[in-house]
This record gives sequence, C-alpha cells and structure tokens, in this order.
Amino acid sequence: RKEVEQDPGPFNVPEGATVAFNCTYSNSASQSFFWYRQDCRKEPKLLMSVYSSGNEDGRFTAQLNRASQYISLLIRDSKLSDSATYLCVVVLEYGNKLVFGAGTILRVKS
Amino acid sequence: DVKVTQSSRYLVKRTGEKVFLECVQDMDHENMFWYRQDPGLGLRLIYFSYDVKMKEKGDIPEGYSVSREKKERFSLILESASTNQTSMYLCASQSLGPSEQYFGPGTRLTVT
Repeated sequence: RKEVEQDPGPFNVPEGATVAFNCTYSNSASQSFFWYRQDCRKEPKLLMSVYSSGNEDGRFTAQLNRASQYISLLIRDSKLSDSATYLCVVVLEYGNKLVFGAGTILRVKS
Repeated sequence: DVKVTQSSRYLVKRTGEKVFLECVQDMDHENMFWYRQDPGLGLRLIYFSYDVKMKEKGDIPEGYSVSREKKERFSLILESASTNQTSMYLCASQSLGPSEQYFGPGTRLTVT
C-alpha cells in the first residue's frame, strides 16, 4: 500500500463549480499535512497547511480526519486559473521527511 | 522571496555518462532535498541533507550520490547514467522543522 494515495483524476469541472479531493495516508503517526499545487511544467508550491481543526483560505478549505486517516481539499467557485495538479503531502513523525502523493489533476473549463 | 535555482532546465546525456545536477538556495536553509518526479508515481525522495557534509538516503538512492560542501549548494550525481534515470529532477530546500519545502524549477534529464 502506498504511504499517500490520491485519485489521479482528471477532474473536469465547469467554472463556478465546487470540487473536492481526498487523500488517504497509511502512517497513523503522521503529524503534519499539506496541500501543494503544481502547474504544468512548473515546480510544486505550497497551497495550504492542513490543521486538525480544519482551515480555510478564501475559496479553499482543507480538512483532516485522523480517525479515518484522510485529508481533503475543497475548492469553491472554481476558476480557470485553478487548473493544476494538487499534491497531498504528509510529514512522517520522524525528521523532516515529506511524503508526496502522486497528485490529482484538476481541469476547470469555461 | 526564497529562491532555489537549478543549473539546467533541460539536459540530454548518453548512457554511461557521469551527470552532475546542481542546486543552490539563497535562504540559509539547513535542509535540502533531491526528488525525481515521474508520471503516476509522484515525487520520490532520492537523497537529503540536514547540514554541510551530511547526507541521508531517501527512498530510491540506487544509482545516485550527492555532495554538500557548502550550506547553500546540494549536488546530485549520476555516476553512470542509465535510460531508467530519464526523469524530472527537483531540488528543494527547507528550514528546520516540518515546514514548507521550496522547490527549484526542475531539470528534465533525458538519457539516450
């Protein structure tokens, strides 16, 4: 079983739609979680951290469910510029090692 | 702004050649990482370093070595390039603790 698993998609949605991605992780001792965004032919960049209480940044909401070992990302009112690959990232309990999921592709169409 | 630079955006090498990929960061970060990214597999950690002259193997170190002689510079070396090392190589830097990693623009290496 992979340490971090994501639905690869692609998710094809119209502008203005709400879309949600889930990510599951296998190590119950994982402590920190992030969502990164990667545009085509670009490097990954941090989108947001994921806290136990959940957090929101504008149209983006991240949630953590430790009991079920998954994190989610909700994007409301999708924009064309949201088209990208979204990477789920889990920090293992030891050291600073980040484990990346393979990514979920989002395509927002007009 | 954190800046991580990599020596080449695109590189084409022949099987058996020795390949050097350079990465430089300007934020005085302690931690530096080398990943490769392949379709469907995501980013996989090759090597990382927490300090000068220090290195640790990641998940897929076979066929690679690294060098960190200065804090700002982390080099990835392919001793004898093979076709299965054709990939996108990404360098990242990070300050202490489980914090954000900042990535360079990547080097797309093709081994023929």
